[in-house]
Amino acid sequence: EVQLVESGGGLVQPGGSLRLSCVASGLTFSSYWMNWVRQAPGKGLEWVAKMKEDGSEIYYVDSVKGRFTISRDNAKNSLYLQMNSLRAEDTAVYYCTSGVYQYDNWGQGTLVTVSS
Amino acid sequence: DIVMTQSPDSLAVSLGERATINCKSSQSVLYSSDNKNYLAWYQQKPGQPPKLLIYWASTRESGVPDRFSGSGSGTDFTLTISSLQAEDVAVYYCHQYYNTPRTFGQGTKLEIK
Repeated sequence: EVQLVESGGGLVQPGGSLRLSCVASGLTFSSYWMNWVRQAPGKGLEWVAKMKEDGSEIYYVDSVKGRFTISRDNAKNSLYLQMNSLRAEDTAVYYCTSGVYQYDNWGQGTLVTVSS
Repeated sequence: DIVMTQSPDSLAVSLGERATINCKSSQSVLYSSDNKNYLAWYQQKPGQPPKLLIYWASTRESGVPDRFSGSGSGTDFTLTISSLQAEDVAVYYCHQYYNTPRTFGQGTKLEIK
C-alpha cells in the first residue's frame, strides 16, 4: 500500500518560513515525479510545484516562484517544500502527490496557517 | 495557463438517479501525437484528500465503481455517475495535465436531493 505522509505545517507569521516534508512508502520513490498541491480553507485545489525523478526538472506556479523551493532526497524517500516570505494567501492544506500526469496517490495533507 | 471551468457549481440528485458534471478547458487538452486527452477527475469527501477516479478522460482508476464514467474530448468533458449512491456525496474536480502549470476546475459539490 502506498503511503505519503506530510509534516511540518503550523502557524507562522507573515514573512516567515516553514519547511514541509513528505515521506513516501510502498512505491519506488525514485521512479516518480512528485508534486505539491494546496487547498485554501473552503476552496479548490491549486498545483504548487513539481520535481522530476532525478531532480533535473523543477516547475512552480507563478505565485510562489522565488519564494518556495521544492527538493527531494531519494535515499530517504522524501520530498520537501521550503517556503519563505510567506503570505496570508499561502494559508492552505498542502498535499504531497505522486505522478507526472494524473495524481494517483495523495497524502493526508499538512495545514499551513500564515497569520499575525 | 489553461483555465478549467466546471458546471454546475453544485448539484442535488436523488438516490439512484444520474448525476452529470461538466468540465470545459480554455484550450484543447487532446495531444495529437498520442490521441489522448490529458484530463483527470477526482472525488474529495469532507476532511479527506482527493481521490483519483478517472484519467485520460475516460479510464477508470482501479477499484473505482463502474457507475462512474468519463467522456469527452478536446475541450469538453463529462463525469457521469449512473446511479447515485449516498457515499458519492462529495466535491468533484477536473484536472488538466496537458501542460504546466497544471490546473484544476473550481469543483462541483454533489448532494442528495
